[in-house]
Amino acid sequence: DIQMTQSPSSLSASVGDRVTITCRASQGINNYLAWFQQKPGKAPKSLIYDASGLQSGAPSKFSGSGSGTDFTLTISSLQPEDFATYYCQQYDTFPHTFGQGTKLEIK
Amino acid sequence: DVKLLESGGGLVQPGGSLRLSCEGSGFTSSSYGMGWVRQAPGKGLEWVSSISASGATPFYADSVKGRFTISRDSSKNMLFLHMNNLTAEDAAVYYCAKVMGIAVRRPFDYWGQGTQVTVSS
Repeated sequence: DIQMTQSPSSLSASVGDRVTITCRASQGINNYLAWFQQKPGKAPKSLIYDASGLQSGAPSKFSGSGSGTDFTLTISSLQPEDFATYYCQQYDTFPHTFGQGTKLEIK
Repeated sequence: DVKLLESGGGLVQPGGSLRLSCEGSGFTSSSYGMGWVRQAPGKGLEWVSSISASGATPFYADSVKGRFTISRDSSKNMLFLHMNNLTAEDAAVYYCAKVMGIAVRRPFDYWGQGTQVTVSS
């Protein structure tokens, strides 16, 4: 199975900050990587697909980059509604594994 | 608008069975793959199963293989997850998700609100 490792596991930031979350795959995944946002008690929301494509309806403050095994999610100008847990997922090979999540908290 | 609505969750005894359903609207079901993702209390997301747009090809996580069966009725825009021999480790919120396209090598783009499965005697 492909292992997905996110870093950091948690992150404190202030409103207005720009933050970056990293996701590393244990082997190449052909850029078949997605990012999701989840708030407590709510379903995940899709943000990014194919490593850098912005999902329909996702704000342009979210951007993805990377290739091969190393990928990043960047959130510009943090607002209160952005504080949530973020997950990456590879869909190159079954099982379509998720990273363990990165909890973004208000400083 | 795309909407996914899960149902069928509840309390079941260890070793018991349950069938989850997911009704889709706002899209043509037969043109998209579908899947299930679960989240145990306080834990992260775990991919459980996916099925091709045609319904001919299912995929399972090792943790559920041989116990869970995914199926679909595209004529009714319905997705199902039949779960047998449930254990405490299967207790979670189960989310139904739509795949972004007909191929299985595509991401989820829409999610349901989830249905809770509790396994306890």
